[in-house]
Amino acid sequence: DQQVKQNSPSLSVQEGRISILNCDYTNSMFDYFLWYKKYPAEGPTFLISISSIKDKNEDGRFTVFLNKSAKHLSLHIVPSQPGDSAVYFCAASGGGGADGLTFGKGTHLIIQP
Amino acid sequence: EAGVAQSPRYKIIEKRQSVAFWCNPISGHATLYWYQQILGQGPKLLIQFQNNGVVDDSQLPKDRFSAERLKGVDSTLKIQPAKLEDSAVYLCASSQDISPYNEQFFGPGTRLTVL
Repeated sequence: DQQVKQNSPSLSVQEGRISILNCDYTNSMFDYFLWYKKYPAEGPTFLISISSIKDKNEDGRFTVFLNKSAKHLSLHIVPSQPGDSAVYFCAASGGGGADGLTFGKGTHLIIQP
Repeated sequence: EAGVAQSPRYKIIEKRQSVAFWCNPISGHATLYWYQQILGQGPKLLIQFQNNGVVDDSQLPKDRFSAERLKGVDSTLKIQPAKLEDSAVYLCASSQDISPYNEQFFGPGTRLTVL
């Protein structure tokens, strides 16, 4: 039962263009959403997050959009750079004291020169 | 600031053997997590500690997996006996305190192969 879904296993984007990574969730108790970036042989590193009370959060080249009614979020990277090539995980957290993350399967972003 | 340390980085064992992983979180971080990442999947939470107490172990297969954080600092995760399906990367993460708004910092992981 996948509560966080990333339906695109991979995405190829030309350098300088916009990368858009999508994520859907099914659990309406989730109220905090995060994107993590992972390079091979390293642990995931935090990229950007958004609370359910917002619909947009921006940090430099990275913007996350949240559509609560559609239970959908997306990560926009503009402009895309070669160093952005990595696996991107969408993650969600529910309310309450236990705040372990529920992750999607990840999307492998490849930035083409 | 030193990151989350994990050892060993790689481990190969036969099925039915036992194995243990060690994690040292970022200094001062009260909350520690163990995640299991099977190839092609996202990380799955196994257990969460707040200091030396267990907050959530609902997804830990308790018949073969155990974890402890006796002094509220470093932690060990044990599998006894291992099965083929336990082959995965085991990630340890820590955060300052028990809040979803605190960033979780991940270690490099231990890649376990069960033959």
